[in-house]
Amino acid sequence: KQEVTQIPAALSVPEGENLVLNCSFTDSAIYNLQWFRQDHGKGLTSLLLIQSSQREQTSGRLNASLDKSSGRSTLYIAASQPGDSATYLCAVNTGGFKTIFGAGTRLFVKA
Amino acid sequence: EAGVTQSPTHLIKTRGQQATLRCSPISGHTSVYWYQQALGLGLQFLLWYDEGEERNRGNFPPRFSGRQFPNYSSELNVNALELEDSALYLCASSLPSGGLNTGELFFGEGSRLTVL
Repeated sequence: KQEVTQIPAALSVPEGENLVLNCSFTDSAIYNLQWFRQDHGKGLTSLLLIQSSQREQTSGRLNASLDKSSGRSTLYIAASQPGDSATYLCAVNTGGFKTIFGAGTRLFVKA
Repeated sequence: EAGVTQSPTHLIKTRGQQATLRCSPISGHTSVYWYQQALGLGLQFLLWYDEGEERNRGNFPPRFSGRQFPNYSSELNVNALELEDSALYLCASSLPSGGLNTGELFFGEGSRLTVL
């Protein structure tokens, strides 16, 4: 049974800091992994999608890596800004009937 | 291009009533997924529809049901509402993938259901 864990559960950093969010999964047989951002009480915004054959994806200040063999993915945010404050979720797709979500990391960037 | 749209944004019901939530997927997307996000909890998978058929459902009682229409829009029905049904209900869609759940998910803004 696939389980997805995100560490830390919450993170508070000063503006401008580079930071890394972690996601681990128990079954390496995944189809893809997706990172989302969720503002409080809102829907999910897709940030990056990494296919199983890929090692990383980049979009602006965001970089996501994938290591299937170790069951890990990281989301790197460069030069954090107060507008980055949100909950970040990773989701693992095993090509089966459902996508499994982690509980998320709540990020607060202080101005 | 319009994203995934959900309605209503907010819905207030009383215990025992029925709620109907609606979702329109991105144009060209044939798969629709429903998730429940209760306060302080993670996303719980509810239902997956693809090409008009229910492909899978999560661990929810039968009073949670839905359907997908020929235009691929979907509705989620919750009967005999209970207080613990209060949550944000999120809909997502993805491109056709031959009946497999393999595509990138795109979410709507959600429908906030409050049961009093």
